[in-house]
Amino acid sequence: AQSVTQLDSHVSVSEGTPVLLRCNYSSSYSPSLFWYVQHPNKGLQLLLKYTSAATLVKGINGFEAEFKKSETSFHLTKPSAHMSDAAEYFCVVSHANAGGTSYGKLTFGQGTILTVHP
Amino acid sequence: DSGVTQTPKHLITATGQRVTLRCSPRSGDLSVYWYQQSLDQGLQFLIQYYNGEERAKGNILERFSAQQFPDLHSELNLSSLELGDSALYFCASSATLTNEQFFGPGTRLTVL
Repeated sequence: AQSVTQLDSHVSVSEGTPVLLRCNYSSSYSPSLFWYVQHPNKGLQLLLKYTSAATLVKGINGFEAEFKKSETSFHLTKPSAHMSDAAEYFCVVSHANAGGTSYGKLTFGQGTILTVHP
Repeated sequence: DSGVTQTPKHLITATGQRVTLRCSPRSGDLSVYWYQQSLDQGLQFLIQYYNGEERAKGNILERFSAQQFPDLHSELNLSSLELGDSALYFCASSATLTNEQFFGPGTRLTVL
C-alpha cells in the first residue's frame, strides 16, 4: 500500500530564506510523486511531479524536489521564499499496480502549512 | 485556472437532506476524481470514473454515489446528510489514468 508522511505540520521562514518541506513515502512499487499547493480558499495547484525520469524535478515558482529512493524521501525546496509562497503544501503519491502503472488514485499527506515572515 | 469547473461554490443544507455536486472536467479529459477535504480527515479520495465507468473507489460512504455522463461531466450525490459531511469537495480530472490531475476550485458543503 502507498502512503506519504509529511514530517512537519507547520514551517515558518523569513522572506528571502530557503524553504524545506519534508516528505517520506511508502510504496510497494515505483511511485509517481507530486507536490500540490493550496492557497487559502483556493483549489489545489500542481507544483511538480516525479514519474521515474530525472530524480531532481523542477516545478513552478522556483520550487524543486529530489527523489531519493534509498531514503524514500521527496523533499520540496526553494532557495528563497517569497511572501506569496505562504500556503499549504501537500505531498502526494499515486497508486500503482504490480506492473508499476499508475491508475490515478492519489493519496495525500496531511499537509504542511508554510508561513513566510517579512 | 485549471479548466475544471465545479458548481455550486457553496452549499448550505440541513441534516437528512440530499445534495448534488457537479463537476465539468477539462476539455478532452476522460477521467474524473472526487475528493473530500475535512479538518479531521484531511484530503481523501472518494471515487474515480474513466470515460463513464467507475474505475476506483476510496473511502466513500454508502450514502454517497457518483456518476459520469456521456458528455464526461460528473455528479456526486450525497444523501441523508450528517453534520460530519460538512467539508470541501474537490473534483479533479486527467487526460488518462496516468497523467497528473487538475483540481477544480471545490464546493464547500455546510450541513446544519
